[in-house]
Amino acid sequence: KAGVTQTPRYLIKTRGQQVTLSCSPISGHRSVSWYQQTPGQGLQFLFEYFSETQRNKGNFPGRFSGRQFSNSRSEMNVSTLELGDSALYLCASSFSPYNSPLHFGNGTRLTVT
Amino acid sequence: AQKITQTQPGMFVQEKEAVTLDCTYDTSDQSYGLFWYKQPSSGEMIFLIYQGSYDEQNATEGRYSLNFQKARKSANLVISASQLGDSAMYFCAMREVHSGGSNYKLTFGKGTLLTVNP
Repeated sequence: KAGVTQTPRYLIKTRGQQVTLSCSPISGHRSVSWYQQTPGQGLQFLFEYFSETQRNKGNFPGRFSGRQFSNSRSEMNVSTLELGDSALYLCASSFSPYNSPLHFGNGTRLTVT
Repeated sequence: AQKITQTQPGMFVQEKEAVTLDCTYDTSDQSYGLFWYKQPSSGEMIFLIYQGSYDEQNATEGRYSLNFQKARKSANLVISASQLGDSAMYFCAMREVHSGGSNYKLTFGKGTLLTVNP
């Protein structure tokens, strides 16, 4: 069974641009969540989707948005990029939003210059 | 207050020895789940083990076991017979299920960097 696939693996953008990251969950998983990882703040929750509905959102500005499609694939978008948005963005999927483990992808490393 | 506390920024262990990574948590929920993840330098987060708040027995997965002490709110990870490939960052995480079932995010600790020496 294929794992969680995130594309692209690496991304370099300049301030003010916008970026879209993609995540394909494990087949059969309907819950997808996103996390931002930085050396200073650690791992922080961005949002969670289940059956195309955003169930929960972390404490991030409105520049961060996401969506989930009917095939459970998810995208997150960051508009008006800032230097502080440089981070590893991790997507995770699980079979249900309940206490089943999250399985993470390899992440997208975003660098904003 | 931090929800997940990992007090050991770094740990060293000799190959083939056992090591315990500490994790304490803070929640007022009755229903929650505790997870441990391993993150090698490549960046991927690898799920290791899960313990539910209502599970009476400590979880085990191969060389990994979770020492769950509910009254003390601790969920320490024990790795037996350490291997060189165990060198990585280890994160403890908690998933709270608030009433109404609308909050399922994972809250992570700061992590412990484990180095296994030959």
